[in-house]
Amino acid sequence: GENVEQHPSTLSVQEGDSAVIKCTYSDSASNYFPWYKQELGKGPQLIIDIRSNVGEKKDQRIAVTLNKTAKHFSLHITETQPEDSAVYFCAVSLGGYQKVTFGTGTKLQVIP
Amino acid sequence: GAGVSQTPSNKVTEKGKYVELRCDPISGHTALYWYRQSLGQGPEFLIYFQGTGAADDSGLPNDRFFAVRPEGSVSTLKIQRTERGDSAVYLCASSLGASPETQYFGPGTRLLVL
Repeated sequence: GENVEQHPSTLSVQEGDSAVIKCTYSDSASNYFPWYKQELGKGPQLIIDIRSNVGEKKDQRIAVTLNKTAKHFSLHITETQPEDSAVYFCAVSLGGYQKVTFGTGTKLQVIP
Repeated sequence: GAGVSQTPSNKVTEKGKYVELRCDPISGHTALYWYRQSLGQGPEFLIYFQGTGAADDSGLPNDRFFAVRPEGSVSTLKIQRTERGDSAVYLCASSLGASPETQYFGPGTRLLVL
């Protein structure tokens, strides 16, 4: 089955700095890569996703890059704010009606 | 509009008891997924419904776990003879279809088996 590794497990940054979270996956057939943000006591919330025919996608302060050859994708958050503090999960899917396999999560702390 | 809702939000039960967890998906979403999240881990897939039928139940850990979606909307996850190791947050997600395949998650049910 699919195996998703995520690093780092914890990340502390000063407000205004950038944060980068990296993930690798094992199944080369995977073609859908969502990122979720989970706040304490809540369910995961989609923040951005990318499909295998795209190498990079941006949405305001958030960007995701994908390297299918290396089976590696990353989340970049610029100009971090305290409200960005949460646990972030990368995830991988074959797309369509397929289960999503999650990474182990990164706890991001933005220090004011 | 309303998101995915799950009830109860918290459930405490004793080892060996039976529990039912309910999920109300976003109206019009045909696909419904159940995941289980242990403390400090990412969600793990349990089962997926397309309409009324379970299209993929490969994530159910054993035959004590069962889920239904009789009318293609609300789903119930049923756990028989609960064990302490079943303690986790049970998350439900729904999606509109295959494209886009974005899964929207509910807040989860926190199950504690004593």
